[in-house]
Amino acid sequence: AQTVTQSQPEMSVQEAETVTLSCTYDTSESNYYLFWYKQPPSRQMILVIRQEAYKQQNATENRFSVNFQKAAKSFSLKISDSQLGDTAMYFCAFMKPNSGGSNYKLTFGKGTLLTVNP
Amino acid sequence: NAGVTQTPKFRILKIGQSMTLQCTQDMNHNYMYWYRQDPGMGLKLIYYSVGAGITDKGEVPNGYNVSRSTTEDFPLRLELAAPSQTSVYFCASSSPDGGWEQYFGPGTRLTVT
Repeated sequence: AQTVTQSQPEMSVQEAETVTLSCTYDTSESNYYLFWYKQPPSRQMILVIRQEAYKQQNATENRFSVNFQKAAKSFSLKISDSQLGDTAMYFCAFMKPNSGGSNYKLTFGKGTLLTVNP
Repeated sequence: NAGVTQTPKFRILKIGQSMTLQCTQDMNHNYMYWYRQDPGMGLKLIYYSVGAGITDKGEVPNGYNVSRSTTEDFPLRLELAAPSQTSVYFCASSSPDGGWEQYFGPGTRLTVT
């Protein structure tokens, strides 16, 4: 079974600075997807960024980028120019999309609470 | 598109009562999921469905049941509610056409006392 570990329960950053959230995962698969989801106080789960394991290039979405190290099974999220609206719980998630059985589901880490201070 | 909608938003149940959490999506996604989120934890999969008429258990299915009679709807049934089922429940849907991004509903906060 896949596991996802987020070793930082809480982090804080000053507005406009850069912060990196860590995520490691354990799998024997070679093809999979990795996601970062954001959950603000409203509770709504929002996709931040997605990485396909077969792509070597790190995904970027505006101020958000990842450092995907497949051999190390590491998937960190970098937030540049942090904004107050980035304050949220961030979840790293893993999905294996192939074959039948209990695939197509997301396995989540426990989350990192990020606070952006003015 | 409304995306994924869930009702109710909040509910308080007494121990032993039953209820159904409703989930509807209008994106024609085949894959639908129910998760629960306990305080300070990530989401855990309760049940999922890969299409109408097909459901399967996730990590924490005990005390719950689901059905999928249409592509749009995926209700979650709680039988004989217990305090351990106090949680926030999220419904989600996805499609390979969308890169497997899961679209989440707004959640239902359930308290069992």
